[in-house]
Amino acid sequence: KNEVEQSPQNLTAQEGEFITINCSYSVGISALHWLQQHPGGGIVSLFMLSSGKKKHGRLIATINIQEKHSSLHITASHPRDSAVYICAVRSGSGGSNYKLTFGKGTLLTVNP
Amino acid sequence: KAGVTQTPRYLIKTRGQQVTLSCSPISGHRSVSWYQQTPGQGLQFLFEYFSETQRNKGNFPGRFSGRQFSNSRSEMNVSTLELGDSALYLCASSLAGAHYEQYFGPGTRLTVT
Repeated sequence: KNEVEQSPQNLTAQEGEFITINCSYSVGISALHWLQQHPGGGIVSLFMLSSGKKKHGRLIATINIQEKHSSLHITASHPRDSAVYICAVRSGSGGSNYKLTFGKGTLLTVNP
Repeated sequence: KAGVTQTPRYLIKTRGQQVTLSCSPISGHRSVSWYQQTPGQGLQFLFEYFSETQRNKGNFPGRFSGRQFSNSRSEMNVSTLELGDSALYLCASSLAGAHYEQYFGPGTRLTVT
């Protein structure tokens, strides 16, 4: 079993729909990252969070440390949101002693 | 501010050769991390450099190495290339490490034949 599991692997939605992508992990973490990768490879860091909830525009990220689970929500989805969304967790005691583990990604396609 | 730049963007090498990839971080950023992305394994952490010192290393063989210069620019080197080294190599810079937001470069697509 991978340390970081994302679901679903693929997601197709209609423009305007509410999207949820899930990330579950099995290790204790110090932080969790959500990344967005568009076709062609460019990666953008969307959120870095260690507790609670963060919001940026139509994107919302939540994390439940006790349940080892995070969700990324997209409200009023748009075709330009089509991308691969990747969850990454940082574990370790801090400083230089950390490990970064990535999920396999969720391919989101939003149709007009 | 200029973003993270990586050179070259595309590279084709033959098995057994070595390759050097370059990454220029955002001005003022002192940390550079390197990642390998393949269809099979996804994204994997290679190593992080901070103030010219390797601060952390992922689970890759010694053929993968790197360094960072006093201007924070970083290079990574892969020696004795194998077919399985074909991948997208990404670098990311941040102010002071993985505890801060990372800004990714466009990547170098390496093909080993």
